[in-house]
Formats: sequence, C-alpha cells, structure tokens
Amino acid sequence: EVQLVQSGAEVKKPGESLNISCKGSGYNFLTSWIAWVRQMPGKGLEWMGSIYPADSDTRYSPSFQGQVTISADKSISTAYLQWSSLKASDTAMYYCARGVYMDVWGKGTTVTVSS
Amino acid sequence: EIVMTQSPDTLSVSPGERATLSCRASQSVRSNLAWYQHKPGQAPRLLIYGASTRATGIPARFSGSGSGTEFTLTISSLQSEDFAVYYCQHYNNWPPLIFGGGTKVEIK
Repeated sequence: EVQLVQSGAEVKKPGESLNISCKGSGYNFLTSWIAWVRQMPGKGLEWMGSIYPADSDTRYSPSFQGQVTISADKSISTAYLQWSSLKASDTAMYYCARGVYMDVWGKGTTVTVSS
Repeated sequence: EIVMTQSPDTLSVSPGERATLSCRASQSVRSNLAWYQHKPGQAPRLLIYGASTRATGIPARFSGSGSGTEFTLTISSLQSEDFAVYYCQHYNNWPPLIFGGGTKVEIK
C-alpha cells in the first residue's frame, strides 16, 4: 500500500524550532515530488513547497521562501518541514502529499504555537 | 503568478441533484489542472487530474472538463458522502503550485 505517514501533533511556544516529518512507503520514494501544504484554521489549502528526493531539488512558494526549510533523507524515505523560529501565525494543519498533482496524502500534522 | 478563482463559494444542493463547480485561471494552464475533495478531519483526496482524468477509485459520477482558463467539476447525482469542500489546483509551469479558494458543497 502506498502511504505517507506524518509525525504527531505538536504544541510549541513562539520562537521555538520545529521539525515535522513525512515517511513514504509502498513506492519509489526517490522519484516522486513530495509537497507540503498548509491549512490554517477555517481557511483553504496553500502549497508551501516541494522536494524531489532523488536530487534534493527543492522549490518554494514565494509566500514561504525563507520562512521554512524543506529537506529529505533518502536513506529512510522521509521528508521534513522545518521552522527555526515559530510564530503564532504558524498554527495550522500541515499535510505532505505525493506529486505535482497530489495523489497520495498524509493524514496531516497539527501544529499549535501559543505562549 | 497565476490566480485560480473558484465559484461559487458555497453551493447548496439536494441529494440526487447535479452539482457544477467552476474554476478559472488568470492565464492558460493548458490541461494541467487537478480537483480535490476535502472533508473535515480527513486528508484531501485527488478526484481529477489532467483536467478530465478520474483518479484511481473515483466514482464515475465525478467528471472534469475544460482546458486553458476555464474548468468545471460536475457531480452528476450528489450522494451524502459528497458534501465537502472542493479545490482546484494548477500544475502548469510550476513553481508555484496554486490552489483555488475552494467551493463548499452543502446540503440544501
């Protein structure tokens, strides 16, 4: 079964760092783009960026460039979304998904940032 | 940057009726257009890619049409499980990948 398994919910304080993960299985992880998609409370879907694990080609939305870092560890078929300094406005659900049209989705990771 | 505009924001439909959702791109995206269904508490689900190709396991009551700048998702006979938010997304000459704002299909 093709699946993406995301790490669990996080509660953090403003200014803290965070790294959430997305592990692929059941397919060749190296040769499909992995996208990260944000959904803020009550809002729509926003593409943040994507990575191609085979060569680590990474592309960001202008809205998220410099705000987050996307990376991947080929050896364990896992992609990451990282923040160095969280803000309250980063509170959202974060999904990873496979492809440029996204045919497989993780269940999402809820990130809550509150003092 | 291409802007994807969906209409209407909310569509009230009775079960068994037909629903027609629209998605407009600010410039041509050819046929590089996908549709997703998103229900509360669940991950989004790919319905259509290539503007008109149903994804694996998607019922035939879902159909997509259009190319260039105008696209339509049609649900021929709404079932109870179809009430959800629907998003279009283009993937032409990316980055960026852009989602529309969504159309909520609710029970009339």
